[in-house]
Amino acid sequence: AQSVTQPDIHITVSEGASLELRCNYSYGATPYLFWYVQSPGQGLQLLLKYFSGDTLVQGIKGFEAEFKRSQSSFNLRKPSVHWSDAAEYFCAVGASGGSYIPTFGRGTSLIVHP
Amino acid sequence: DTGVSQNPRHKITKRGQNVTFRCDPISEHNRLYWYRQTLGQGPEFLTYFQNEAQLEKSRLLSDRFSAERPKGSFSTLEIQRTEQGDSAMYLCASSSGLAGGRVETQYFGPGTRLLVL
Repeated sequence: AQSVTQPDIHITVSEGASLELRCNYSYGATPYLFWYVQSPGQGLQLLLKYFSGDTLVQGIKGFEAEFKRSQSSFNLRKPSVHWSDAAEYFCAVGASGGSYIPTFGRGTSLIVHP
Repeated sequence: DTGVSQNPRHKITKRGQNVTFRCDPISEHNRLYWYRQTLGQGPEFLTYFQNEAQLEKSRLLSDRFSAERPKGSFSTLEIQRTEQGDSAMYLCASSSGLAGGRVETQYFGPGTRLLVL
């Protein structure tokens, strides 16, 4: 079974600074990887996904993520954070066969200082 | 708006009461998922439908929980004899069902927040 770890519970950055949120996964084959964002009291919105191909994936709202097989990681990055990016971010990993159900990390809360 | 919708958005109930939540998926999406999310945690899988068939259930889904998708469109999640530990956000998601035997991109609704007093 697959698993995902988001090692940082909270991340605090200043507006305009760069951002990197960490995600490490465990899965024996090539995984399917997702990043979602959740604003307070809301559902999850897909930021980007990796299924195959180019390991650098571009998403919405200026986010990108890079799949690194050697490090079992799929870190989320943004070059310049806006105050509206403050939210909860979830990494998820899905199996490439057998199960339709992704496994979500516990999330990283992003705090943006003005 | 053609996204996933959930009703009600909030529900407060007393312990021991039954509650029912509704999810309307994106039109023509074949797969529908229910998740539970507690404070500070990611979504935890509860159950999944392919059209009207309930194909997978988590061990989290106790006998007090039941889900249906009678015509392969909307779905309901019922919790009987609610307990305080059932307090959580209940999320519904849907996906197209066209990807065959693998995980797909899921589109989430806004959730129903349940508080059991």
